[in-house]
Amino acid sequence: SQQGEEDPQALSIQEGENATMNCSYKTSINNLQWYRQNSGRGLVHLILIRSNEREKHSGRLRVTLDTSKKSSSLLITASRAADTASYFCATDGLGKGAQKLVFGQGTRLTINP
Amino acid sequence: DVKVTQSSRYLVKRTGEKVFLECVQDMDHENMFWYRQDPGLGLRLIYFSYDVKMKEKGDIPEGYSVSREKKERFSLILESASTNQTSMYLCASSSRTDYITEAFFGQGTRLTVV
Repeated sequence: SQQGEEDPQALSIQEGENATMNCSYKTSINNLQWYRQNSGRGLVHLILIRSNEREKHSGRLRVTLDTSKKSSSLLITASRAADTASYFCATDGLGKGAQKLVFGQGTRLTINP
Repeated sequence: DVKVTQSSRYLVKRTGEKVFLECVQDMDHENMFWYRQDPGLGLRLIYFSYDVKMKEKGDIPEGYSVSREKKERFSLILESASTNQTSMYLCASSSRTDYITEAFFGQGTRLTVV
């Protein structure tokens, strides 16, 4: 079964607004990653947050991680049309599963001009 | 520039055929992965490999096998293609430390089984 579950499945906002996507997972992790996928293309890595970190920033991206709730959020500030894409969270596991990277179902983000 | 290359962008095969999907990475990564992506289901892990000749089943290995004879190459094999294997297939690689680092993806192979 899949590890990560994103919420919402789809999000449509106006350009300039902030977009927030959430991810929940089931088992303990070493780290959590977020990826972006433009239509019909491969995925591109955005940011990685370790299990001992609570927040991380990269440009207009802000990621939080709450290991007690097994959840993460991705915030994109001041959205642009080019941010239109699908966003996925991915988690690894512990022990033997440490090298297994599992993705959620993704959030489809549409930025309207 | 790092690269993961999948051998075909589009592929059409007949039911019952044996299908090989090839993936090559030039980053000397230990880990390699095969996923399939279907609408509404996200990416599902088929198999992964953390070293040459090593493989582990993912969440949906049935109907698939893999081969990793060289570090840079990871092949996905559909032993007898069926229409329910029509999908987008994505290959990825990452380095291995105590945990998985950033994964790099190929552009995907859209496979249609008729």
